[in-house]
Amino acid sequence: NAGVTQTPKFQVLKTGQSMTLQCAQDMNHNSMYWYRQDPGMGLRLIYYSASEGTTDKGEVPNGYNVSRLNKREFSLRLESAAPSQTSVYFCASSEYGTTYEQYFGPGTRLTVT
Amino acid sequence: SQQGEEDPQALSIQEGENATMNCSYKTSINNLQWYRQNSGRGLVHLILIRSNEREKHSGRLRVTLDTSKKSSSLLITASRAADTASYFCATDPGGGSNYKLTFGKGTLLTVNP
Repeated sequence: NAGVTQTPKFQVLKTGQSMTLQCAQDMNHNSMYWYRQDPGMGLRLIYYSASEGTTDKGEVPNGYNVSRLNKREFSLRLESAAPSQTSVYFCASSEYGTTYEQYFGPGTRLTVT
Repeated sequence: SQQGEEDPQALSIQEGENATMNCSYKTSINNLQWYRQNSGRGLVHLILIRSNEREKHSGRLRVTLDTSKKSSSLLITASRAADTASYFCATDPGGGSNYKLTFGKGTLLTVNP
């Protein structure tokens, strides 16, 4: 099992460009999450999907959109990138209610110039 | 806003010594989890303690929870150089906020050989 995979691993964007970060999990988990991690800030939740067909805002959703494409895949879109979105982005999944821990992908390091 | 706050922010010890990290949080929880993050990697779940538990062990890890003080501690015994990583606590509020973990800013542990 690959667990949680993310693409791309690295990306450099210019201000105003758009891009989609892809995430997939092969553990048949219902819940999926997108976080951003900035130095000294820990992880902050951007959006989450409790189950297929639902998405909800987290702590820092502004400037982002998400799509839960199916049970496996959860993508994060930046429509018009800003330097403040320079960060490391992590996708995670969990089977809430059965076990509670989250499984994380390796991250995408995004730089917006 | 951050729910959990780890203390200290950074800790440097010698191999073989014990490492203790603390986490304080503000609101009631369903469970509290500890994660490890090696440099440049995603987070890995270490241990979960439920609100009705006071202590839990897993290998060289010991976690305590004091809900009256809203605090938890993670003890790593007989530390090894491979334990060098950042450690995060994450709180699960349960109830209507199911699925969402709130992470602290982390403790950077350095174990010197």
